[in-house]
Amino acid sequence: EDQVTQSPEALRLQEGESSSLNCSYTVSGLRGLFWYRQDPGKGPEFLFTLYSAGEEKEKERLKATLTKKESFLHITAPKPEDSATYLCAAFYFLGNEKLTFGTGTRLTIIP
Amino acid sequence: GEEVAQTPKHLVRGEGQKAKLYCAPIKGHSYVFWYQQVLKNEFKFLISFQNENVFDETGMPKERFSAKCLPNSPCSLEIQATKLEDSAVYFCASRLTGTGLFSPLHFGNGTRLTVT
Repeated sequence: EDQVTQSPEALRLQEGESSSLNCSYTVSGLRGLFWYRQDPGKGPEFLFTLYSAGEEKEKERLKATLTKKESFLHITAPKPEDSATYLCAAFYFLGNEKLTFGTGTRLTIIP
Repeated sequence: GEEVAQTPKHLVRGEGQKAKLYCAPIKGHSYVFWYQQVLKNEFKFLISFQNENVFDETGMPKERFSAKCLPNSPCSLEIQATKLEDSAVYFCASRLTGTGLFSPLHFGNGTRLTVT
Protein backbone atom coordinates (compact mmCIF):
# COMPACT_ATOMS: atom_id res chain seq x y z
CA GLU A 1 0.00 0.00 0.00
CA ASP A 2 1.27 3.45 -0.84
CA GLN A 3 2.19 5.27 2.34
CA VAL A 4 3.88 8.39 3.61
CA THR A 5 5.05 8.32 7.23
CA GLN A 6 6.53 11.19 9.20
CA SER A 7 8.53 11.04 12.40
CA PRO A 8 8.64 12.12 15.07
CA GLU A 9 5.01 13.06 15.62
CA ALA A 10 6.10 15.98 17.81
CA LEU A 11 9.47 17.56 18.56
CA ARG A 12 10.41 20.17 21.13
CA LEU A 13 13.75 21.93 20.73
CA GLN A 14 15.52 24.72 22.50
CA GLU A 15 16.15 27.79 20.38
CA GLY A 16 19.38 27.18 18.46
CA GLU A 17 19.21 23.39 18.82
CA SER A 18 19.45 21.84 15.33
CA SER A 19 17.59 18.67 14.37
CA SER A 20 16.01 16.74 11.49
CA LEU A 21 12.49 15.65 10.62
CA ASN A 22 11.94 12.45 8.68
CA CYS A 23 9.49 11.59 5.90
CA SER A 24 9.61 8.02 4.62
CA TYR A 25 7.55 6.89 1.67
CA THR A 26 6.60 3.62 0.05
CA VAL A 27 5.03 4.67 -3.23
CA SER A 28 5.61 3.34 -6.69
CA GLY A 29 6.99 5.73 -9.24
CA LEU A 30 7.60 8.82 -7.14
CA ARG A 31 7.48 11.96 -9.27
CA GLY A 32 8.15 14.50 -6.54
CA LEU A 33 8.24 15.10 -2.79
CA PHE A 34 6.84 18.31 -1.33
CA TRP A 35 7.42 19.90 2.05
CA TYR A 36 4.88 22.26 3.57
CA ARG A 37 4.63 24.26 6.76
CA GLN A 38 1.25 24.61 8.46
CA ASP A 39 0.50 27.13 11.20
CA PRO A 40 -2.59 26.75 13.42
CA GLY A 41 -5.76 27.88 11.65
CA LYS A 42 -4.00 28.24 8.30
CA GLY A 43 -3.54 26.23 5.16
CA PRO A 44 -0.26 24.50 4.34
CA GLU A 45 2.39 26.86 3.00
CA PHE A 46 4.66 25.48 0.30
CA LEU A 47 8.35 25.19 1.18
CA PHE A 48 10.20 22.86 -1.20
CA THR A 49 9.86 20.41 -4.06
CA LEU A 50 12.38 17.59 -4.51
CA TYR A 51 12.25 15.56 -7.70
CA SER A 52 15.12 13.07 -7.57
CA ALA A 53 17.31 11.22 -5.10
CA GLY A 54 20.32 13.26 -4.11
CA GLU A 55 18.58 16.56 -4.61
CA GLU A 56 18.82 19.22 -1.88
CA LYS A 57 16.98 22.51 -1.43
CA GLU A 58 17.63 25.25 1.12
CA LYS A 59 15.70 28.19 2.47
CA GLU A 60 16.93 30.19 5.44
CA ARG A 61 17.35 27.72 8.33
CA LEU A 62 15.72 24.82 6.47
CA LYS A 63 17.31 22.27 4.16
CA ALA A 64 15.42 19.42 2.52
CA THR A 65 17.09 16.31 1.13
CA LEU A 66 15.77 13.27 -0.73
CA THR A 67 16.86 9.64 -1.01
CA LYS A 68 15.10 6.75 -2.72
CA LYS A 69 13.14 5.91 0.42
CA GLU A 70 12.94 9.04 2.53
CA SER A 71 13.31 12.76 2.80
CA PHE A 72 14.74 14.82 5.62
CA LEU A 73 13.99 18.36 6.63
CA HIS A 74 17.00 19.67 8.52
CA ILE A 75 16.51 22.72 10.68
CA THR A 76 19.63 24.59 11.74
CA ALA A 77 19.69 26.91 14.75
CA PRO A 78 15.89 27.20 14.87
CA LYS A 79 14.04 30.22 16.21
CA PRO A 80 10.64 30.31 17.97
CA GLU A 81 9.01 31.51 14.73
CA ASP A 82 9.94 28.16 13.14
CA SER A 83 7.35 26.50 15.41
CA ALA A 84 4.70 24.91 13.17
CA THR A 85 3.57 21.56 11.81
CA TYR A 86 5.72 20.38 8.91
CA LEU A 87 4.05 18.17 6.34
CA CYS A 88 5.53 16.15 3.52
CA ALA A 89 3.55 14.91 0.54
CA ALA A 90 4.52 12.39 -2.14
CA PHE A 91 3.40 12.89 -5.71
CA TYR A 92 3.27 9.72 -7.79
CA PHE A 93 1.43 8.21 -10.69
CA LEU A 94 -0.94 5.28 -10.15
CA GLY A 95 -3.38 5.28 -13.05
CA ASN A 96 -3.75 8.97 -12.35
CA GLU A 97 -1.78 11.63 -10.55
CA LYS A 98 -1.80 11.02 -6.79
CA LEU A 99 -0.64 13.22 -3.94
CA THR A 100 -0.49 11.60 -0.48
CA PHE A 101 0.30 13.55 2.67
CA GLY A 102 2.05 12.38 5.80
CA THR A 103 0.48 13.24 9.15
CA GLY A 104 3.08 15.85 9.97
CA THR A 105 5.62 16.68 12.66
CA ARG A 106 4.55 19.31 15.19
CA LEU A 107 7.71 21.33 15.90
CA THR A 108 7.94 23.59 18.96
CA ILE A 109 10.96 25.83 19.48
CA ILE A 110 11.36 26.99 23.06
CA PRO A 111 12.98 30.41 23.56
CA GLY B 1 -5.87 36.83 -7.18
CA GLU B 2 -2.53 35.77 -5.78
CA GLU B 3 -4.01 33.60 -3.06
CA VAL B 4 -6.50 30.78 -2.93
CA ALA B 5 -9.57 32.32 -1.30
CA GLN B 6 -11.95 30.09 0.65
CA THR B 7 -15.28 31.14 2.12
CA PRO B 8 -16.71 30.98 4.65
CA LYS B 9 -13.99 30.56 7.28
CA HIS B 10 -16.38 28.81 9.65
CA LEU B 11 -19.65 27.04 9.01
CA VAL B 12 -21.95 25.45 11.57
CA ARG B 13 -24.71 23.13 10.46
CA GLY B 14 -27.20 20.95 12.25
CA GLU B 15 -27.07 17.29 11.33
CA GLY B 16 -29.05 16.75 8.14
CA GLN B 17 -28.60 20.30 6.86
CA LYS B 18 -26.82 21.23 3.67
CA ALA B 19 -23.37 22.83 3.65
CA LYS B 20 -21.79 24.68 0.74
CA LEU B 21 -18.17 25.77 0.64
CA TYR B 22 -16.52 28.03 -1.92
CA CYS B 23 -13.04 28.37 -3.37
CA ALA B 24 -11.51 30.90 -5.74
CA PRO B 25 -8.22 29.51 -7.10
CA ILE B 26 -5.19 31.60 -7.92
CA LYS B 27 -5.67 33.37 -11.24
CA GLY B 28 -4.12 31.35 -14.03
CA HIS B 29 -4.18 28.06 -12.12
CA SER B 30 -6.21 25.50 -13.97
CA TYR B 31 -6.17 22.64 -11.43
CA VAL B 32 -8.26 22.78 -8.27
CA PHE B 33 -8.18 20.23 -5.46
CA TRP B 34 -10.35 19.66 -2.40
CA TYR B 35 -8.99 18.00 0.73
CA GLN B 36 -10.58 17.17 4.06
CA GLN B 37 -8.37 17.52 7.15
CA VAL B 38 -9.55 15.62 10.18
CA LEU B 39 -7.92 14.74 13.48
CA LYS B 40 -4.14 14.26 13.68
CA ASN B 41 -3.51 16.30 10.53
CA GLU B 42 -4.73 13.59 8.21
CA PHE B 43 -5.36 15.05 4.74
CA LYS B 44 -7.93 13.10 2.79
CA PHE B 45 -8.14 13.80 -0.95
CA LEU B 46 -11.68 14.35 -2.17
CA ILE B 47 -11.72 15.56 -5.77
CA SER B 48 -9.72 17.49 -8.34
CA PHE B 49 -10.67 19.54 -11.39
CA GLN B 50 -8.87 20.60 -14.52
CA ASN B 51 -10.69 23.79 -15.39
CA GLU B 52 -14.37 22.86 -15.19
CA ASN B 53 -13.80 19.15 -15.78
CA VAL B 54 -13.54 16.56 -13.03
CA PHE B 55 -9.97 15.22 -13.12
CA ASP B 56 -10.02 12.71 -10.29
CA GLU B 57 -12.99 12.01 -8.01
CA THR B 58 -11.77 8.81 -6.40
CA GLY B 59 -11.90 10.33 -2.91
CA MET B 60 -15.43 11.67 -3.04
CA PRO B 61 -18.14 10.02 -0.96
CA LYS B 62 -20.65 9.62 -3.75
CA GLU B 63 -23.87 9.77 -1.79
CA ARG B 64 -23.82 13.21 -0.20
CA PHE B 65 -20.85 15.11 -1.61
CA SER B 66 -20.76 16.99 -4.88
CA ALA B 67 -18.44 19.61 -6.36
CA LYS B 68 -18.32 21.97 -9.31
CA CYS B 69 -15.92 24.36 -10.96
CA LEU B 70 -17.83 26.48 -13.47
CA PRO B 71 -16.31 29.19 -15.69
CA ASN B 72 -16.20 32.65 -14.11
CA SER B 73 -17.48 31.38 -10.76
CA PRO B 74 -15.81 30.17 -7.57
CA CYS B 75 -15.52 26.40 -7.28
CA SER B 76 -17.88 24.84 -4.76
CA LEU B 77 -18.08 21.77 -2.57
CA GLU B 78 -21.56 20.84 -1.36
CA ILE B 79 -22.52 18.35 1.30
CA GLN B 80 -26.16 17.32 1.38
CA ALA B 81 -27.59 16.04 4.67
CA THR B 82 -24.48 16.59 6.75
CA LYS B 83 -23.43 14.04 9.36
CA LEU B 84 -21.42 14.49 12.54
CA GLU B 85 -18.41 12.79 10.91
CA ASP B 86 -18.32 15.49 8.22
CA SER B 87 -16.96 17.91 10.85
CA ALA B 88 -13.49 18.81 9.58
CA VAL B 89 -11.50 21.56 7.93
CA TYR B 90 -11.95 21.54 4.16
CA PHE B 91 -9.02 22.86 2.16
CA CYS B 92 -8.98 23.95 -1.43
CA ALA B 93 -5.73 24.10 -3.36
CA SER B 94 -4.79 25.12 -6.88
CA ARG B 95 -1.81 24.65 -9.15
CA LEU B 96 -0.54 25.71 -12.53
CA THR B 97 -0.87 23.56 -15.54
CA GLY B 98 2.56 22.49 -16.58
CA THR B 99 4.30 20.12 -18.84
CA GLY B 100 6.95 17.91 -17.32
CA LEU B 101 7.48 18.47 -13.62
CA PHE B 102 4.53 18.62 -11.25
CA SER B 103 4.08 22.10 -9.85
CA PRO B 104 3.21 22.39 -6.14
CA LEU B 105 -0.26 22.91 -4.76
CA HIS B 106 -1.05 26.28 -3.16
CA PHE B 107 -3.60 26.06 -0.38
CA GLY B 108 -6.28 28.34 0.96
CA ASN B 109 -6.82 28.77 4.69
CA GLY B 110 -9.68 26.33 4.80
CA THR B 111 -13.31 26.26 5.88
CA ARG B 112 -13.96 24.77 9.30
CA LEU B 113 -17.25 22.86 9.16
CA THR B 114 -18.85 21.92 12.45
CA VAL B 115 -21.87 19.64 12.35
CA THR B 116 -23.90 19.63 15.56
